[in-house]
Amino acid sequence: GDSVTQMEGPVTLSEEAFLTINCTYTATGYPSLFWYVQYPGEGLQLLLKATKADDKGSNKGFEATYRKETTSFHLEKGSVQVSDSAVYFCARAYSSASKIIFGSGTRLSIRP
Amino acid sequence: GAVVSQHPSWVICKSGTSVKIECRSLDFQATTMFWYRQFPKQSLMLMATSNEGSKATYEQGVEKDKFLINHASLTLSTLTVTSAHPEDSSFYICSASQGDTEAFFGQGTRLTVV
Repeated sequence: GDSVTQMEGPVTLSEEAFLTINCTYTATGYPSLFWYVQYPGEGLQLLLKATKADDKGSNKGFEATYRKETTSFHLEKGSVQVSDSAVYFCARAYSSASKIIFGSGTRLSIRP
Repeated sequence: GAVVSQHPSWVICKSGTSVKIECRSLDFQATTMFWYRQFPKQSLMLMATSNEGSKATYEQGVEKDKFLINHASLTLSTLTVTSAHPEDSSFYICSASQGDTEAFFGQGTRLTVV
């Protein structure tokens, strides 16, 4: 069935390092793709999304491009901050309001 | 963005009792609400989808008699964990959407059954 696979964590980086968290998906159609972030003790927040091939979602310095040819939606940030420490979930859905399938989550820790 | 509020944010209950968790959309009418369960250090697993005024659709493997979902109004859905046991201890998260708009998530409810 449809699924989302993302790189396992934890990922530990120094402040100002470059971040990549890989995400690939399988789907029978053309889903929308999302990255959600969960800060400690909080619920999920939508970080960015892309609804069609070649779309680039961006927010707070994070970017991800919907690559249909590689079925990927890798999350990147050029210079991470301590405040970026959180768990990041890649996800897909066939519409913004349909059920969302999440990846396993990647815990990111940033050292000062 | 829109606000979805869950209550309580945490609850401890005795084994065998029932617990109700509320999910409210504060500034929009939610035609669809979703309930997820998250085990420690794991991803969110969809439990059920509920549309206002109709019965919830449960995912495979989720006991509908144990996890009762009611979506009686456009701003409120409830999840009742009946006859809770320690293995039901988990983090429960709801999300809500209006039509085909983005789904907004509540802050989650941590349930501990002792």
